[in-house]
Amino acid sequence: LAKTTQPISMDSYEGQEVNITCSHNNIATNDYITWYQQFPSQGPRFIIQGYKTKVTNEVASLFIPADRKSSTLSLPRVSLSDTAVYYCLVGDAPVDSSYKLIFGSGTRLLVRP
Amino acid sequence: GAVVSQHPSRVICKSGTSVKIECRSLDFQATTMFWYRQFPKQSLMLMATSNEGSKATYEQGVEKDKFLINHASLTLSTLTVTSAHPEDSSFYICSARDLAGRALGAFFGQGTRLTVV
Repeated sequence: LAKTTQPISMDSYEGQEVNITCSHNNIATNDYITWYQQFPSQGPRFIIQGYKTKVTNEVASLFIPADRKSSTLSLPRVSLSDTAVYYCLVGDAPVDSSYKLIFGSGTRLLVRP
Repeated sequence: GAVVSQHPSRVICKSGTSVKIECRSLDFQATTMFWYRQFPKQSLMLMATSNEGSKATYEQGVEKDKFLINHASLTLSTLTVTSAHPEDSSFYICSARDLAGRALGAFFGQGTRLTVV
């Protein structure tokens, strides 16, 4: 599985847009990019997944450049409740139930009032 | 949506005893489930892959005789921490994927906080 590199931590303020970038230089052709959010003492929660260009859902947007060696998770107008750890993972699309999710260090986002 | 439930959410046990943690997929069948361990301020570490009807596959460095995994049905996997010691105190999390295509990504249980005293 491709290794990912993310900033260890980020600070922001309520109402701002937050962009977290993840580097995955060794991403393979079949690999998808998936982001998860984790609050303290809870299991991770799926945020968004994409393969190329841009994906948007009700929670976030995911921007993937043409070379796919990086991706950016964009959180619009963050609130205090968005304070969490965000993990970027790359690997095969989950069409195989045995596909393992290997977590990197993640980015600890702190949203201040 | 798909839900994975873990039980108990927290447990305290005495050193030397065994603790069983259950992971259930509530509204989908999971032929494969995964068990993770997470220490404070650290990322999730994959411990093992739980396969329905067969032996679990353990990651390097994880003692299979200490962390017993049973996946007896398509909706239940259990992790038993045998002869627990204080260093086994951690946050244990399971996950599974709904292959029916109703949602992307994997679903995680709420985690189990194990404290060994």
